[in-house]
Amino acid sequence: EVQVLESGGGLVQPGGSLRLSCVASGFTFSDFAMTWVRQVPGKGLEWVSSISGGGGSTYYADSVKGRFTISRDNSKNTLYLQMNSLRADDTAIYSCGKYYCTSTNCDRGYFDFWGQGALVTVSS
Amino acid sequence: DIVMAQSPDSLAVSLGERATINCKSSQSVLYRADNRNYLAWYQQKPGQPPKLLIYWASTRESGVPDRFSGSGSGTDFTLTISSLQAGDVAVYYCQQYYGSPLTFGGGTKVEIK
Repeated sequence: EVQVLESGGGLVQPGGSLRLSCVASGFTFSDFAMTWVRQVPGKGLEWVSSISGGGGSTYYADSVKGRFTISRDNSKNTLYLQMNSLRADDTAIYSCGKYYCTSTNCDRGYFDFWGQGALVTVSS
Repeated sequence: DIVMAQSPDSLAVSLGERATINCKSSQSVLYRADNRNYLAWYQQKPGQPPKLLIYWASTRESGVPDRFSGSGSGTDFTLTISSLQAGDVAVYYCQQYYGSPLTFGGGTKVEIK
């Protein structure tokens, strides 16, 4: 059974940093691209970032480019999202997900499984 | 960016009746080279993460009941629930994966009348 469990959310001041983690199980982690998607509670979905199975290719939404860094440790079946220079409009539930690549470089695809998410609140 | 517009924002349907959700993309998501529409549908029940229902516009994910069907091509797509069940109360989202960034529709809330 595929499972992912996010952690690391919390309250942070504007301009601060936070690192989210996502531990995956139930599939061969290194064989699959992974992704982060965020959702303001009660609102819609926004893709944030994706990373290929080997970690060599990464992609970001313009809204987070230069501030967020996605990475993975395949030996630990863990995905990360380092978030710096956080702003109030980054407040959201961040979910990690398993991602089916539909392009050779994995810059496009659909999300075939995602977790409950971790709440990140950016406020003074 | 490809903008995805869903309609209606919400709808109330009687149990056993048909529910129809529309999704329109600002440009075609049909890739001529493989004749596939790069569009997915998701279901998000209250308090739960989204769940993949349909990909390639009309292919049901494993385990999804056959009362859920996807249709359309190019820029206009439809998700149909042929006979609404109580457990289908949820928000439904479309998503295009034709271009980067990946983008979602605003969601359609389905309730029981």
